[in-house]
Amino acid sequence: EAQVTQNPRYLITVTGKKLTVTCSQNMNHEYMSWYRQDPGLGLRQIYYSMNVEVTDKGDVPEGYKVSRKEKRNFPLILESPSPNQTSLYFCASSYSLSSYEQYFGPGTRLTVT
Amino acid sequence: QKEVEQDPGPLSVPEGAIVSLNCTYSNSVFQYFMWYRQYSRKGPELLMYTYSSGNKEDGRFTAQVDKSSKYISLFIRDSQPSDSATYLCGGSWGKLQFGAGTQVVVTP
Repeated sequence: EAQVTQNPRYLITVTGKKLTVTCSQNMNHEYMSWYRQDPGLGLRQIYYSMNVEVTDKGDVPEGYKVSRKEKRNFPLILESPSPNQTSLYFCASSYSLSSYEQYFGPGTRLTVT
Repeated sequence: QKEVEQDPGPLSVPEGAIVSLNCTYSNSVFQYFMWYRQYSRKGPELLMYTYSSGNKEDGRFTAQVDKSSKYISLFIRDSQPSDSATYLCGGSWGKLQFGAGTQVVVTP
């Protein structure tokens, strides 16, 4: 089954404790991205990657890091989480940057206290 | 200012009614226009897309784009409780921009 998986689905952590959210896709997509979804603000892109070792900032990259060492994986790293990073995070993949169809993962609900 | 503006709702309608959702956008470069549907505790899924202006119909769903007024619309005919979800509009010019999403509740 074609899918994007994320782990963990729910995470509660404390300010400053480094964490990683994993993302994996099995569709051989070149393009992957991370979004955060907040009430009233919708989906905002954090980082994206057009291929292995090629990443770039999205609209709200501050406080986040990513890496793309393998085509299927695109982890999101919060080196020092803060309460304003409490949000719902989605990983997505698509065939290309310009594709109108992105495949989203199930989401990771992060709470930073 | 966001590139795509969308009323967050919620929009509550009785079963069988027509649901009308609208968005406005500011980026004239958008070529594709999309509607994604997001059920509770799930990721968004592409519902429909259109290229440039015009209408597109898929079963009970009709998407419309008016580039002259920068308006994106989605109509759901004969709405069902299973249509209860958040609907996100968006535009793409090589990068997708989404609206905030409108929560739709269809009551039996």
